[in-house]
Amino acid sequence: GQQVMQIPQYQHVQEGEDFTTYCNSSTTLSNIQWYKQRPGGHPVFLIQLVKSGEVKKQKRLTFQFGEAKKNSSLHITATQTTDVGTYFCAPSGSARQLTFGSGTQLTVLP
Amino acid sequence: NAGVTQTPKFQVLKTGQSMTLQCAQDMNHEYMSWYRQDPGMGLRLIHYSVGAGITDQGEVPNGYNVSRSTTEDFPLRLLSAAPSQTSVYFCASSGFTYEQYFGPGTRLTVT
Repeated sequence: GQQVMQIPQYQHVQEGEDFTTYCNSSTTLSNIQWYKQRPGGHPVFLIQLVKSGEVKKQKRLTFQFGEAKKNSSLHITATQTTDVGTYFCAPSGSARQLTFGSGTQLTVLP
Repeated sequence: NAGVTQTPKFQVLKTGQSMTLQCAQDMNHEYMSWYRQDPGMGLRLIHYSVGAGITDQGEVPNGYNVSRSTTEDFPLRLLSAAPSQTSVYFCASSGFTYEQYFGPGTRLTVT
């Protein structure tokens, strides 16, 4: 499977600060998906990136796919307490199987 | 639509016991998968299916069996439970949009 390294593993921010998590691969990825998992919950799909250099925005969330399709990032502007959770990147295989990164656990301090 | 449902929500087994985790989806999705999640390790793929009658192994298939006799159901069977199988198990399904829908999970403890 396609292995990805996700950093940082943990991030604590004050409410209102920005947050970024990075996903890196040693091989070229065909696509990458991002998921959010709230504490005690299940992963919820956020977005899929397919094109080299692609940038997509969802309100305060900005997703990027690197030019070489070997890395991706998720940036949250002005975090809120509702952003708390673990964010996973996951390349998708031909049969839709996902290879999850280890995740970045975000804590937002009020 | 109920989406993806999983039963049971919680289960405690003794070492050596067998059991089946149930997963069902009502979205007519062809693709279904089973993942396990251990603390600090993200989710790892156990088995997956691209349609009724077709299954394949994922990253960590040992100790688990699956079958897909209908589009809706994708049960995961633990053959002889071991403490190393203590985990949270998620079932997921996917249709044309590639987005994966996850069930609420089954929290399994093997003593």
